[in-house]
Amino acid sequence: GIQVEQSPPDLILQEGANSTLRCNFSDSVNNLQWFHQNPWGQLINLFYIPSGTKQNGRLSATTVATERYSLLYISSSQTTDSGVYFCAVGRNSGNTPLVFGKGTRLSVIA
Amino acid sequence: GAGVSQSPSNKVTEKGKDVELRCDPISGHTALYWYRQSLGQGLEFLIYFQGNSAPDKSGLPSDRFSAERTGGSVSTLTIQRTQQEDSAVYLCASSLGLLGARPYEQYFGPGTRLTVT
Repeated sequence: GIQVEQSPPDLILQEGANSTLRCNFSDSVNNLQWFHQNPWGQLINLFYIPSGTKQNGRLSATTVATERYSLLYISSSQTTDSGVYFCAVGRNSGNTPLVFGKGTRLSVIA
Repeated sequence: GAGVSQSPSNKVTEKGKDVELRCDPISGHTALYWYRQSLGQGLEFLIYFQGNSAPDKSGLPSDRFSAERTGGSVSTLTIQRTQQEDSAVYLCASSLGLLGARPYEQYFGPGTRLTVT
């Protein structure tokens, strides 16, 4: 099956710093989502981005489907950005379940 | 509108007992998914319902696991004869299904934390 690798696994940032999280996947996909899992375990949708670039406030994401990777950018990080960031993909046929990476654990310190 | 809801939020059960977990998807969403999140295995797919089609059960770890979706809406995940390795957070997600060949975005509920003692 499709493999999803996220890097780095852990990241510690000073408040105000910028960061880039990476997601590599092993096959063509027709769905790619980025999530933030908050300390209470809720998965919060950040981006639905099977291709192209999107921005939402301090967050932006880019997926280069032909090269099988996606990047999540966090600018001017805040302590509330702490948590685990997951990339998840659906393989390239119809409506299929998401395959998740192992996540990047982000800690933003004041 | 309301998001995906799940109940109970927490469930503690004794090894060998059966449990039922409930998921209410977002109104109008035709696709419903069950996933589980455990320390050792990360987030993994269990079962998927799309409209009136036969469910995709390819992710169920054993025949002790089953799920139903009644009336195209509410779903129940049943685990029979629970084992300690079933302890995990069980997550439900829903989506609008397909737009042509492109799937819609999935939205997740808050999960049910299952502890088997």
